[in-house]
Amino acid sequence: IVLTQSPGTLSLSPGERATLSCRASQSVTGNYLTWYQQKPGQAPRLLIYGTFSRATGIPDRFSGSGSGTDFTLTISRLEPEDFAVYYCHQYGGSPYTFGQGTQLEIK
Amino acid sequence: QVHLVESGGALVKPGGSLRLSCAASGFTFSDSYMNWIRQAPGKGLEWLSYISGTTTYTNYADSVKGRFTISRDNAKNSLYLQMSSLRAEDTAVYYCVRAIRGYSALFDYWGQGTLVTVSS
Repeated sequence: IVLTQSPGTLSLSPGERATLSCRASQSVTGNYLTWYQQKPGQAPRLLIYGTFSRATGIPDRFSGSGSGTDFTLTISRLEPEDFAVYYCHQYGGSPYTFGQGTQLEIK
Repeated sequence: QVHLVESGGALVKPGGSLRLSCAASGFTFSDSYMNWIRQAPGKGLEWLSYISGTTTYTNYADSVKGRFTISRDNAKNSLYLQMSSLRAEDTAVYYCVRAIRGYSALFDYWGQGTLVTVSS
């Protein structure tokens, strides 16, 4: 399954709402879709799994939605520490694939 | 506290071999599927392989099938990736990654990665 993320880069200011998209080339089994955050020089961090569920310790300003082939990560009010690269990933079937990433940068 | 520490990354010539290791702690290692994922410099993430807790099941991405072998030693809480016939396009940071219990590829904890550079 090919995952295509849009936009490639998103420029926003702290306090604004961010909407990141992930589109799959075919339906994701079980809506087994996750979102990861990666900061420079760090390993990715799990944010959302199963399309909707927040991982342990993830603030509630992060939310996931979608089904089938269209998925969205929403950050309701951006904090300075949220500026990073975000990847979607499907674990519904092998080979397990990632999107190419969305760079969320400070405007 | 879950801790994953990779080692073994190095500069290797095309066609060469390398073995990566990952030392795990802070959880019952044998209960979890373990994975290797890589990230080429400035690029995205690529899943490579998983191995089940009991070593019964393994799976590989087509890009590494037949060249890379995943293994584990539960007595040593260690995961390995034997890489052979290395190519320039294998240059990447290689991450050792735990899957959430009950899943093969829902990744919750990642190591910090080890850099493999394939160049003459």
